[in-house]
Amino acid sequence: QSVLTQPPSVSGALGQRITISCTGGSSNIGAGSDVHWYQQLPGKAPTVLIYDSDKRPSGVPDRFSGSKSGTSASLAITGLQAEDEADYYCQSYDISLDPLYVFGGGTKVTVL
Amino acid sequence: EGQLVETGGGLIQPGGSLRLSCTTSEFLVSHNYMAWVRQAPGKGLEWVSVLFSGGTTKYADSVKGRFTISRDNSKNTLYLQMNSLRAEDTAVYYCAREHDNSSHFDSWGQGTLVTVSS
Repeated sequence: QSVLTQPPSVSGALGQRITISCTGGSSNIGAGSDVHWYQQLPGKAPTVLIYDSDKRPSGVPDRFSGSKSGTSASLAITGLQAEDEADYYCQSYDISLDPLYVFGGGTKVTVL
Repeated sequence: EGQLVETGGGLIQPGGSLRLSCTTSEFLVSHNYMAWVRQAPGKGLEWVSVLFSGGTTKYADSVKGRFTISRDNSKNTLYLQMNSLRAEDTAVYYCAREHDNSSHFDSWGQGTLVTVSS
């Protein structure tokens, strides 16, 4: 069972907006730790999509955005495209030091 | 971001040992926080261990006492020594670099598969 909770799956039609939630607790997101989001395409390593809750690395389309509030965070994808079909993971830092880095269980995004 | 290359995975019997390696030509392993993250087949990501630039190490409870993270500065290589392997250690193991101003992993290797089975 993952420390951060994500919905197992989210689906949306081409061009639609979807959101993925990530719920933590008082020792990670609620303690002020930033949330990061990764995209994992089938058979590939994860790549960072959003870091520090709402920042995009260069090269990531602005269709992807992140936010954080309280003990939760969200990833939004607007203008959903076929190539967005992938697994998405949130990650944070846990001040309890056990474990140190925590991940969500992952969300499979399906483009209808 | 930097290119990391893992090697050393394979099929190993329960109770056996294996050492994974991770190297790069694009930055100094010793100057960065380096971690191992694993992914069991069909499952999510799980942090395994981290080696800070100052030499401090941390481990997930699931591997504490069995796995050891280390580095060889002369070879610019990160290692994960895995002993007393169990079936539940079966996973793709990724090495990853933590960004120097954030707790996210900004560079990942392609992963190496470890299968623990008799």
